Amino acid sequence: EVHLVESGGDLVQPGGSLRLSCSASGFTFVTHWMHWVRQAPGKGLVWVARIDNHENDMIYADSVRGRFTISRDNAKSTVYLQMNSLRVEDTAVYYCARGGLAHGFDAWGQGTVVTVSS
Amino acid sequence: EIVLTQSPGTLSLSPGERATLSCRASQSVDSSFLAWYQQKVGQAPRLLIQGASARATGIPDRFSGSGSGTDFTLTITRLEPEDFAVYYCQQYGDSAWTFGQGTKVEIK
Repeated sequence: EVHLVESGGDLVQPGGSLRLSCSASGFTFVTHWMHWVRQAPGKGLVWVARIDNHENDMIYADSVRGRFTISRDNAKSTVYLQMNSLRVEDTAVYYCARGGLAHGFDAWGQGTVVTVSS
Repeated sequence: EIVLTQSPGTLSLSPGERATLSCRASQSVDSSFLAWYQQKVGQAPRLLIQGASARATGIPDRFSGSGSGTDFTLTITRLEPEDFAVYYCQQYGDSAWTFGQGTKVEIK
């Protein structure tokens, strides 16, 4: 069974940093693109970033480019999201998801909560 | 960035009724990259439809997707109690994925 488990969410002050992790199991991790998607309280889904199979290509939403970095460790079946210069508007549940271009995001974690507040 | 606009914002229906949800794109979308998701309160989203019309694994056949270009539709033929949720469309284009703002299907 495919399983994605996020961790690392916390309360952090504006301007601070945080690293989220997503541990994958139940599938061949190295053959899949991975994404981060966030959802602010009471709001809709927003795609954040994607990394390809071998960390050759990473793309970001305009709202986080230059502040967030997505990476992966295929040996550990884990994807990361390093978040720097955090803003109040980054407050959200952060989900990792598995997905390719024509296959949708077919597996999701349960999410980890990031709160940016002074 | 391609903007997806979903309508209506809220759909109030009774179990057994038919639900028709719309997703309109600000520019033409490759149908291969159009998906629909269901999200229940407190849960992660679940993939329903990929490639505009292909049901994901395990999705009941009362869910169907259609459309092309800028107009896409998710239809639920007979609402079951577990179908009351928020539904999102999603597309890939211009090196980014975007989601619609969601349609809430609530019990009338």
